[in-house]
Amino acid sequence: GAVVSQHPSRVICKSGTSVKIECRSLDFQATTMFWYRQFPKQSLMLMATSNEGSKATYEQGVEKDKFLINHASLTLSTLTVTSAHPEDSSFYICSARRDQAGGYTFGSGTRLTVV
Amino acid sequence: AQSVTQPDIHITVSEGASLELRCNYSYGATPYLFWYVQSPGQGLQLLLKYFSGDTLVQGIKGFEAEFKRSQSSFNLRKPSVHWSDAAEYFCAVGGNDYKLSFGAGTTVTVRA
Repeated sequence: GAVVSQHPSRVICKSGTSVKIECRSLDFQATTMFWYRQFPKQSLMLMATSNEGSKATYEQGVEKDKFLINHASLTLSTLTVTSAHPEDSSFYICSARRDQAGGYTFGSGTRLTVV
Repeated sequence: AQSVTQPDIHITVSEGASLELRCNYSYGATPYLFWYVQSPGQGLQLLLKYFSGDTLVQGIKGFEAEFKRSQSSFNLRKPSVHWSDAAEYFCAVGGNDYKLSFGAGTTVTVRA
């Protein structure tokens, strides 16, 4: 149980276009979802926290107009990278908090390459 | 705000030998502590977690970790490593805001 599906796993897009990444909790309702960015050989950096039905909370230094997060239901959160540029190329990972005990499940990640 | 330090960037261990990965955290209250493993190009898999209770926590794949409040540590151990344990390991700490802070990670290489 407690599976999070993240899609797509890889995406290549042209500079200036937008890309949407989906994160779905398949067998539980996620009260909170998190989006992380990971550079090669580095740790995960929290970008934003999203709660169903409310605006996402962004970490300091993260451009909310570039990284649009929507958490429309208890099982789906999306991250849209708008007007992507090569420097946005990275590995993006979502996670979902599934219960009061603070259990977290991570998606398998999305490798974004902007050319 | 909480933070995590993983002092060892890279550890090489022989197959069958024991493994210990260090993790030190900083947090003002009782933390939630986690160890995750990541294979290249993949997401994170939870090895074990500590919220409260017994300070020695058993996880999957034969891993265990011990919470030591006096040392602000949560070191991960495995008595006998397998070649499949080669991966990146992350320690994470969470607080009352449910956000996780990750350490820089430790790369484990297993030699035959």
